[in-house]
Amino acid sequence: QKEVEQDPGPLSVPEGAIVSLNCTYSNSAFQYFMWYRQYSRKGPELLMYTYSSGNKEDGRFTAQVDKSSKYISLFIRDSQPSDSATYLCAMSHLPYSSASKIIFGSGTRLSIRP
Amino acid sequence: GAVVSQHPSRVICKSGTSVKIECRSLDFQATTMFWYRQFPKQSLMLMATSNEGSKATYEQGVEKDKFLINHASLTLSTLTVTSAHPEDSSFYICSARDEGGNNEQFFGPGTRLTVL
Repeated sequence: QKEVEQDPGPLSVPEGAIVSLNCTYSNSAFQYFMWYRQYSRKGPELLMYTYSSGNKEDGRFTAQVDKSSKYISLFIRDSQPSDSATYLCAMSHLPYSSASKIIFGSGTRLSIRP
Repeated sequence: GAVVSQHPSRVICKSGTSVKIECRSLDFQATTMFWYRQFPKQSLMLMATSNEGSKATYEQGVEKDKFLINHASLTLSTLTVTSAHPEDSSFYICSARDEGGNNEQFFGPGTRLTVL
């Protein structure tokens, strides 16, 4: 079993729709949870970073962590064509600010149709 | 955000040759850089942690004699794939930690290696 599972998609939705991206994980020691966006032929860029359970909102993006279910989500409201990219969930045992090992999901390819 | 560059962006080589990939932090210094490998439709897998002025730390299963890492300055780390074989074909991505900022890791654009 992989430590982090993520549906690779592709996921295609119309512009303006709410997008829900999800990951499950098996290691209960993970404390820090991240979402990255990766455009084609580019490196990943950090979108959001959360600690433990709960919600965090940043503009059109909301990250949700449910540690009891070992399940994390990223919601995108009012989706735009420019949101089309691959979204990777990631997690670690130690704070993001340390030289800790980050475990990535395989990424979900998202396409927003104009 | 801070910028990390990689060179080359794409390389095609014959089996048995060695390939060097450079990772540079352009506007910050990085004591620690990371090298990842990403196969199609799979996760980024950490290969090694590169430490300026000292030996790299390799993840389990990664051959240190095959993937040579040199981190000779605070802005440059290199990964050399020695005697490359077709199974080494992959997308290699580096990241650098901005210790002068909030320690965020910034990723390079990746290098696509194809070994014929």
